[in-house]
Amino acid sequence: QKEVEQNSGPLSVPEGAIASLNCTYSDRGSQSFFWYRQYSGKSPELIMSIYSNGDKEDGRFTAQLNKASQYVSLLIRDSQPSDSATYLCAVNMEGLTGANNLFFGTGTRLTVIP
Amino acid sequence: NAGVTQTPKFQVLKTGQSMTLQCAQDMNHNSMYWYRQDPGMGLRLIYYSASEGTTDKGEVPNGYNVSRLNKREFSLRLESAAPSQTSVYFCASRPGHNTEAFFGQGTRLTVV
Repeated sequence: QKEVEQNSGPLSVPEGAIASLNCTYSDRGSQSFFWYRQYSGKSPELIMSIYSNGDKEDGRFTAQLNKASQYVSLLIRDSQPSDSATYLCAVNMEGLTGANNLFFGTGTRLTVIP
Repeated sequence: NAGVTQTPKFQVLKTGQSMTLQCAQDMNHNSMYWYRQDPGMGLRLIYYSASEGTTDKGEVPNGYNVSRLNKREFSLRLESAAPSQTSVYFCASRPGHNTEAFFGQGTRLTVV
């Protein structure tokens, strides 16, 4: 059973604070990991991808990957009200037919309070 | 560059009716996917097509069929709609087997 686990939240942080979102996954052999942001009623949009252990920074966003612990996280610095959305963790894992597919967590709902 | 385009955006069906959801991408991607999204369940893979001419079942294929018409187009068909198929359906594509996916705008389907 391929699983991607996220805390569903809601997570509330004040404007300007750091938001920390976490994700664990079941397949130790996974090689690629993604964070998507989804506004209510909209489609998921990619905000970060990470392939190697360690940190990857892009503007206010930092993705962290620890393959040994099967853990990936997303930090949002200087959180803004416009960051209020659901954040989906996606992991590339081998599916039932042997092909690599993206498996998604249920998402963490983030609210940034002005 | 439109990316991934889905039609329709909204649909209401009666139980037992059939319909086809259309998806087209203009990014020359090999792989295409159909997901459904339900509250508390996240995105679940229905069917995928790793390349033109191939299709395979995902996690929740029952009640659905797909057609990869050509490299651009991947359709999802509900032969006999059931209330349990009420959901938001997303089509996605990606260039390779280890890359990110790009999503269409979604189809909100209600079966009554």
